[in-house]
Amino acid sequence: GNSVTQMEGPVTLSEEAFLTINCTYTATGYPSLFWYVQYPGEGLQLLLKATKADDKGSNKGFEATYRKETTSFHLEKGSVQVSDSAVYFCALKGVNSGYALNFGKGTSLLVTP
Amino acid sequence: GAVVSQHPSWVICKSGTSVKIECRSLDFQATTMFWYRQFPKQSLMLMATSNEGSKATYEQGVEKDKFLINHASLTLSTLTVTSAHPEDSSFYICRSSDNEQFFGPGTRLTVL
Repeated sequence: GNSVTQMEGPVTLSEEAFLTINCTYTATGYPSLFWYVQYPGEGLQLLLKATKADDKGSNKGFEATYRKETTSFHLEKGSVQVSDSAVYFCALKGVNSGYALNFGKGTSLLVTP
Repeated sequence: GAVVSQHPSWVICKSGTSVKIECRSLDFQATTMFWYRQFPKQSLMLMATSNEGSKATYEQGVEKDKFLINHASLTLSTLTVTSAHPEDSSFYICRSSDNEQFFGPGTRLTVL
């Protein structure tokens, strides 16, 4: 079945540091891939997505590239801010799974001044 | 843009009472809504898929008599936690099937 594996957190970085959160997936065919962000006490917000191999999703300085060969969708940001502190979820929507999303366990990011 | 709302955003209740959570699509029609449950510092667990005009489809291990789902219209799906107990305390989030970004803001349920 479909599944998503994320690096475990928490991740603590200083402001302006480079961020990478690893995400790998298992699925048949070409799923769509997503990154969501959840700020404390809030629901999920879609951060970026990619729907086919080699696509790069980007938003608010975050980027992730859909790598079919490594089944990965790692999230990166060149310079994090304190306001980026949140929990980040990688997710996929399988080819034959209708509208259902499979989520990773989430990675907590804390950015310190 | 399209918005999914939830009500209430936070509810505290006594053990044994029932709590209803509403999920509304504000400017579009949602034939399908997904209900998720999130424990502290954990991922989202899909509980059930709610289809307008028909019975909900529950994930394995989710008690359908405990978590009643009704999707009576194209803009409203409700989740009722019946005879709530402290272990039902959690963050409940709905999502519209129409777009991956249409999550509700969540409802935090605390059962005393």
